[in-house]
Amino acid sequence: EDQVTQSPEALRLQEGESSSLNCSYTVSGLRGLFWYRQDPGKGPEFLFTLYSAGEEKEKERLKATLTKKESFLHITAPKPEDSATYLCAVQAYNDMRFGAGTRLTVKP
Amino acid sequence: NAGVTQTPKFQVLKTGQSMTLQCAQDMNHEYMSWYRQDPGMGLRLIHYSVGAGITDQGEVPNGYNVSRSTTEDFPLRLLSAAPSQTSVYFCASRKTGTTYNEQFFGPGTRLTVL
Repeated sequence: EDQVTQSPEALRLQEGESSSLNCSYTVSGLRGLFWYRQDPGKGPEFLFTLYSAGEEKEKERLKATLTKKESFLHITAPKPEDSATYLCAVQAYNDMRFGAGTRLTVKP
Repeated sequence: NAGVTQTPKFQVLKTGQSMTLQCAQDMNHEYMSWYRQDPGMGLRLIHYSVGAGITDQGEVPNGYNVSRSTTEDFPLRLLSAAPSQTSVYFCASRKTGTTYNEQFFGPGTRLTVL
């Protein structure tokens, strides 16, 4: 069965303290791996799509990487406005499976 | 563009009541879907549609019905609400194609069933 596991569940950082979020997955026939950001009381907002192992995408302080079994979301020198829940999802066929998310808090 | 809109934003039901959650998009997207989000479980797919007149079940379809009579609208019906359906519901849409396109989510409906 397709599964997505994110770790850690919660992460507290000081402003400027870089770190990484992990997304490990098992899926037959990966069509894409996605990262979303979700703010409290709002719907998820698309960040990145990765299609094949070795691929990397960057956006401001965020960088997503993909291997055959996991993806990392690297956050460099985070700011308080980066505080949110980050969701990982995999696309197999017409079904998209989400992880439970990592709740990131960045303290000033 | 308004993007994906959902109504209502909040709803409280009693067990056994029925209701319809509304979803509309103005981006001419073929694919629309409904998810529920529960603490610690992530988003789970309820039903989806690849175009008007075509719907299919996702991971957790029991207790929910959908229809797609137009490209823009994709309502979700709860036939007889149960406390287990207390959740936050998100509608999403995207274009279809050979590569997977970005999925846009609505703001969500927070449903409580007493």
